[in-house]
Amino acid sequence: KAGVTQTPRYLIKTRGQQVTLSCSPISGHRSVSWYQQTPGQGLQFLFEYFSETQRNKGNFPGRFSGRQFSNSRSEMNVSTLELGDSALYLCASSAGTLNTEAFFGQGTRLTVV
Amino acid sequence: AQSVTQLGSHVSVSEGALVLLRCNYSSSVPPYLFWYVQYPNQGLQLLLKYTSAATLVKGINGFEAEFKKSETSFHLTKPSAHMRDAAEYFCAVTTPSGGYNKLIFGAGTRLAVHP
Repeated sequence: KAGVTQTPRYLIKTRGQQVTLSCSPISGHRSVSWYQQTPGQGLQFLFEYFSETQRNKGNFPGRFSGRQFSNSRSEMNVSTLELGDSALYLCASSAGTLNTEAFFGQGTRLTVV
Repeated sequence: AQSVTQLGSHVSVSEGALVLLRCNYSSSVPPYLFWYVQYPNQGLQLLLKYTSAATLVKGINGFEAEFKKSETSFHLTKPSAHMRDAAEYFCAVTTPSGGYNKLIFGAGTRLAVHP
């Protein structure tokens, strides 16, 4: 079956702009989690959505938001971009129970200039 | 709260040598532990996971890890390194209280394999 699809793969934005990233999970998966990966901070959990509801949230400012649609596809939005938001954003999907594997997409590389 | 410490940000081994990547965790409740591998410009791929069953866990590509509660460790090993094992490896933890898919990652260990 198809894996986790993230679009776009690469993105360049200017400071102050906003950006929307998309994640299509594996068919049948109801949980989508988002992570930010940077050289300085490593992999950090942003938030998790399950059945269209945010179930967990990491320690990121309110500029970072997300949502999940009825087909389990998820989007994350970053408003008022800062240079420090430059990162690889990874999405992971799973069935949504604890003992299930999280499958990661290839990520979206966001560069803020 | 949970946390993960990976000792050694870079590890270099010769092809055919033993691979040992260290991971120590902190958790107030029984943890679930994972090892992921990341190749350049790729996402993360699960190597293996510990979910309170057998303490010695075998994963893909010949890797295995042993959960040692007394040492709060979950070190990753492979008897014989291949060139294709060169990548970055991440240890991660989660718990029921931490959230079903809220993985807490270590800083990663970059493995280099030389001929």
